[in-house]
Amino acid sequence: AQSVTQLDSQVPVFEEAPVELRCNYSSSVSVYLFWYVQYPNQGLQLLLKYLSGSTLVKGINGFEAEFNKSQTSFHLRKPSVHISDTAEYFCAVSDSRNFNKFYFGSGTKLNVKP
Amino acid sequence: DTAVSQTPKYLVTQMGNDKSIKCEQNLGHDTMYWYKQDSKKFLKIMFSYNNKELIINETVPNRFSPKSPDKAHLNLHINSLELGDSAVYFCASSPLAGGFGEQFFGPGTRLTVL
Repeated sequence: AQSVTQLDSQVPVFEEAPVELRCNYSSSVSVYLFWYVQYPNQGLQLLLKYLSGSTLVKGINGFEAEFNKSQTSFHLRKPSVHISDTAEYFCAVSDSRNFNKFYFGSGTKLNVKP
Repeated sequence: DTAVSQTPKYLVTQMGNDKSIKCEQNLGHDTMYWYKQDSKKFLKIMFSYNNKELIINETVPNRFSPKSPDKAHLNLHINSLELGDSAVYFCASSPLAGGFGEQFFGPGTRLTVL
């Protein structure tokens, strides 16, 4: 069965510092990977996605993620965060057996401090 | 010009009542979803419809019944509400019946059962 693990429930970081949010998945087949952001009291918004091709994926707001098949990871990074990046971040995966079904991680709360 | 809209935004009701949440998307997508986000922010898929046909039906109590009158609408009806139904419910849509397309989320409906 599919599963997605976000090891860090909260990540505090100072403004302009780099950040990495970790995501690991388990699957026996090809996967499609996504990162979503949820600002307070809002729905989820797609940051970036990996479907195939280059393992380094660039998204909106300066975020990027790298697909590492051997480590079954899809960590999200940003070289310099802003206060406005404070939000909940969700990793999600679907696979070739059932494209429609997205499995979400439990989320990581990024708290950017001035 | 909202892409995925849900009504109501907030819903407070007593145990045992029946309530509905409506969802509409104006993106021309074929696939729509309902998710439940619990108090710990864990997001889990409940149902998915592709062009008015049910394609995903997770282990959800049969008090929950989705209805899709056309491919732009997916409503969620809940009978005999229980305290544990309190959560934020998100509607989403995607352009393709598969994981290739990102999912566009509505703003959520916060259901509180007293």
